[in-house]
Amino acid sequence: TQLLEQSPQFLSIQEGENLTVYCNSSSVFSSLQWYRQEPGEGPVLLVTVVTGGEVKKLKRLTFQFGDARKDSSLHITAAQPGDTGLYLCAGALFSGNTPLVFGKGTRLSVIA
Amino acid sequence: GAGVSQSPRYKVAKRGQDVALRCDPISGHVSLFWYQQALGQGPEFLTYFQNEAQLDKSGLPSDRFFAERPEGSVSTLKIQRTQQEDSAVYLCASSLESRRLNTEAFFGQGTRLTVV
Repeated sequence: TQLLEQSPQFLSIQEGENLTVYCNSSSVFSSLQWYRQEPGEGPVLLVTVVTGGEVKKLKRLTFQFGDARKDSSLHITAAQPGDTGLYLCAGALFSGNTPLVFGKGTRLSVIA
Repeated sequence: GAGVSQSPRYKVAKRGQDVALRCDPISGHVSLFWYQQALGQGPEFLTYFQNEAQLDKSGLPSDRFFAERPEGSVSTLKIQRTQQEDSAVYLCASSLESRRLNTEAFFGQGTRLTVV
């Protein structure tokens, strides 16, 4: 059973379009992170959200943590080919010292 | 170095062979994590060290997997009698403090293990 469900699994869009990817769980997380991973590389942290309802912006990327701390979304405005990659959400469960758990990722392809 | 370094980058092993994967974390980072990432999947937790102490090894899939960090710096993940299902990218990450999520974890490029 996957603790963090990401959707969509694959997304191919044209340059300039907007998109949203989702990370959902039935469990509550103390905080949640989004990573981007390019082929042959390790994941690189984009943002950490810790407060329910929190919104963080990183240039054209907007991250939101759900009020109940069970879900998160990543919205990209005016996507560019450089945004292409695997986007992973990862969370730490509220219930103590548990390892960081990852979703399966959303593979984004932005076509010029 | 400036980042987490893993070696080798690529490893091809014959089924039944033992392998050792090395991780050099960022200098001064207390916590070190190993993850396994199968093709098309997100990383799966294997084990975690705080300094030289292995605090959590609940993710190791079998007793063929063993990890150590004897001096609290470099870590080695050893897989004995490799099997085809062990084929994956093995990622190492380090962070400055505890495993609590507010501390950023920096990942290495990974070692891609292929068992033939």
